[in-house]
Amino acid sequence: GAVVSQHPSWVICKSGTSVKIECRSLDFQATTMFWYRQFPKQSLMLMATSNEGSKATYEQGVEKDKFLINHASLTLSTLTVTSAHPEDSSFYICSARDPGQGAYEQYFGPGTRLTVT
Amino acid sequence: LAKTTQPISMDSYEGQEVNITCSHNNIATNDYITWYQQFPSQGPRFIIQGYKTKVTNEVASLFIPADRKSSTLSLPRVSLSDTAVYYCLVGDGQAGTALIFGKGTTLSVSS
Repeated sequence: GAVVSQHPSWVICKSGTSVKIECRSLDFQATTMFWYRQFPKQSLMLMATSNEGSKATYEQGVEKDKFLINHASLTLSTLTVTSAHPEDSSFYICSARDPGQGAYEQYFGPGTRLTVT
Repeated sequence: LAKTTQPISMDSYEGQEVNITCSHNNIATNDYITWYQQFPSQGPRFIIQGYKTKVTNEVASLFIPADRKSSTLSLPRVSLSDTAVYYCLVGDGQAGTALIFGKGTTLSVSS
């Protein structure tokens, strides 16, 4: 199946700093990518839909000025957590759908563990 | 997207068959049913997808009754490595439509 990668796999940053997470589709082009956040022992929560060449669509309750999403190419979307705080510590996962595959098969990255101290 | 209901947890032993049922009473005509598996600190992994009747692959089988208001994921002869969270999702599969996850079922396999 198609492969989605994320970088870094884990990151520790100090409160008040910004962190950028990259999501890449390695063997297919994705006009749309999705960003999720997952807290311990909880399910994945959709944060935003990232569209290549246009603004991202954020879910209700997600601060767009805090979680900056850029989808500059068909294979790369980035999520920047600005002015991070300890409550932003979470597991961030991106995903994309390969248009050449099944109607509903969505491929997920391995996730990025963010710890804000 | 249709809301799904699954058992919160299930326990099994190695070598047994495990069946996880998901209810999706409001499934739409264009919706597919898809199951994902997630291990701790990893992204979800696609297991199987179906629209109606039965689908089988090398990992699992998916049973969907005629009314499509529920589905059952069947894992044959589970092993310890099948311990994970299993998510049932329904949706129309459009490229720009995100998957909305429910709580999932935590399967624990013991020896």
